[in-house]
Amino acid sequence: QSALTQPASVSGSPEQSITISCTGTSSDVGGYNLVSWYQQHPGKAPKLMIYEVSKRPSGVSYRFSGSKSGNTASLTISGLQAEDEADYYCYSYAGSNIWVFGGGTKVTVL
Amino acid sequence: EVQLLESGGGLVQPGGSLRLSCAASGFTFSNYAMNWVRQAPGKGLEWVSSMSGSGGGERTYYADSVKGRFIISRDNSKNTLFLQMNSLRVEDTASYYCAKVLSGKSYGNEFDYWGQGTLVTVSS
Repeated sequence: QSALTQPASVSGSPEQSITISCTGTSSDVGGYNLVSWYQQHPGKAPKLMIYEVSKRPSGVSYRFSGSKSGNTASLTISGLQAEDEADYYCYSYAGSNIWVFGGGTKVTVL
Repeated sequence: EVQLLESGGGLVQPGGSLRLSCAASGFTFSNYAMNWVRQAPGKGLEWVSSMSGSGGGERTYYADSVKGRFIISRDNSKNTLFLQMNSLRVEDTASYYCAKVLSGKSYGNEFDYWGQGTLVTVSS
């Protein structure tokens, strides 16, 4: 049950687009279309931003999108805004009723 | 409005036990799998355990790090989820969140509602 690999930090200027990667293996990210992404502001509970690789829950901005290629999933934030500054975690089914999070990525808006 | 409210956290010595509760409201609790996710201070999220709803036979699943020490359970008549934590270790120190799955068909694939968390500190 190794954690998925995310970059520790990603930064961008307002209105820019950024992409956060989430690398796993064929046993987790690559094996299932069951990757989700969470946003967490300091001291707050996580918030679901993307599920099943690319689906957006009701109420989540269209600026957030997800994709997957092979063993790597990605979260793209377009039109970066100050309120997007937060930690982001990917999460994937890993088979045999086990789930695994990524290590988290701190997004900074410059 | 969906609400999840955890309780039961606190300070416990290594080797001790603690029981967390998560009171749920605003949805048909028995229809959904529920999960526990933890976060050590300043660290990332870690999936801990899942329990399916009544439609899924209330099956239970655990991360290797807690298997054999933690027990997840639920009381659908009281809309409450539990986590019995035994043989606690220093590395179990974390905020523990309960989380509701998005779909009634899912066990732990994605969580649309989270509680505010309850802090468990394991220290001598």
